[in-house]
Amino acid sequence: AQTVTQSQPEMSVQEAETVTLSCTYDTSENNYYLFWYKQPPSRQMILVIRQEAYKQQNATENRFSVNFQKAAKSFSLKISDSQLGDTAMYFCAFMKLDGADGLTFGKGTHLIIQP
Amino acid sequence: DAGITQSPRHKVTETGTPVTLRCHQTENHRYMYWYRQDPGHGLRLIHYSYGVKDTDKGEVSDGYSVSRSKTEDFLLTLESATSSQTSVYFCAISVQPEAYEQYFGPGTRLTVT
Repeated sequence: AQTVTQSQPEMSVQEAETVTLSCTYDTSENNYYLFWYKQPPSRQMILVIRQEAYKQQNATENRFSVNFQKAAKSFSLKISDSQLGDTAMYFCAFMKLDGADGLTFGKGTHLIIQP
Repeated sequence: DAGITQSPRHKVTETGTPVTLRCHQTENHRYMYWYRQDPGHGLRLIHYSYGVKDTDKGEVSDGYSVSRSKTEDFLLTLESATSSQTSVYFCAISVQPEAYEQYFGPGTRLTVT
């Protein structure tokens, strides 16, 4: 079974700062997918970014980027130029290559962007 | 917007009553999932489906059953609701094998009193 650990229950930064959210995972799989999801107060789960484990290049999506360290089983999310709208819960998630067992989520990090 | 709707969006029910939650998608994706979200636990997989009449159990399946008689509908049933099943329930779809990410419905808040 896979496990995903997010060690920061809550973080707070000023608007326009850069913030990094941590995620580690444990698996015996060699190929898999990793994701970051955002959940604002509306409760909607929104896909932020995805990474295929067989790709060495770190994924980027506009202000969001990841630092994927496969050997260390680490998958951190960096948000640059943070905005008030980035305030949300952020969940790290793991999925096996065949999709069996769906997504395994961490417990989340509550990110607060202060004006 | 992946065309996913959930009904009802909110429900309050009494312990021991049966409850069915519906997930409906408009784009004929094969893969559908039910998760529950509880404080301090993130989201956990209840059941999933790879196609019509093809379902399997997830991490927290006890007390739940599912059915998928049509591609577009995935039903989650609590045969006899308990207070421990008070939660927010999310349905998700993925477009495997074309893509692997999952897209979520808006969620159903269920309260069992």
